[in-house]
Amino acid sequence: DIQMTQSPSIVSASVGDRVTITCRASQSISTWLAWYQQKPGKAPKFLIFDAFSLESGVPSRFSGSGSGTEFTLTISSLQPDDFATYYCQQYSSFSRTFGQGTKVEIK
Amino acid sequence: QVQLVQSGAEVKKPGSSVKVSCKASGGTFSSYALSWVRQAPGQGLEWMGGILPVFGTSNYAQKFQGRVTINADISTNTAYMELTSLRSEDTAVYYCARDRSYGHALDFWGQGTMVTVSS
Repeated sequence: DIQMTQSPSIVSASVGDRVTITCRASQSISTWLAWYQQKPGKAPKFLIFDAFSLESGVPSRFSGSGSGTEFTLTISSLQPDDFATYYCQQYSSFSRTFGQGTKVEIK
Repeated sequence: QVQLVQSGAEVKKPGSSVKVSCKASGGTFSSYALSWVRQAPGQGLEWMGGILPVFGTSNYAQKFQGRVTINADISTNTAYMELTSLRSEDTAVYYCARDRSYGHALDFWGQGTMVTVSS
């Protein structure tokens, strides 16, 4: 299976901050990468696909970049609703795998 | 807009089986694929397997091969995930989710079903 590693595990940030989360794949996955946001007790919410394509309805302060083995999710100006855990997921292999998650918490 | 509604919470004994349902509305059920993802308490997300209902073909993560069965009933727009030989480590929230396209990202998610395995 392709291993996905996110860093950092926790980000402490304030409203208005720029936040960047990194996701690394154990082998090249081209741009077959998605990002999700999850809040406690809720199902994940789909944010980004194909590494940088924003899902309809997702605020433009979210952006994704990268290809091959290194990817980033950036929140340009953190809003109160953005405090959550974020997961990357590869779909280069049919056996899809997720990163371990990055929690964005209030500083 | 696709909606996925899952069956309710379950409490099971070790060694038993559980079957979780996922009823879809919106879109054309037979035209899209569904995956099952689980999340143990305080842990991350784990893809278990998926199905393409129109062909009835299922694929499973190696970790769950032999213990999980995913199938679907097109007549009722419902997918099912059965996990056998349950152990305490299977305690988790189980989600169904739609593949954006087959084998792709997961764009619509069910609300989750809590399965607790305890003696």
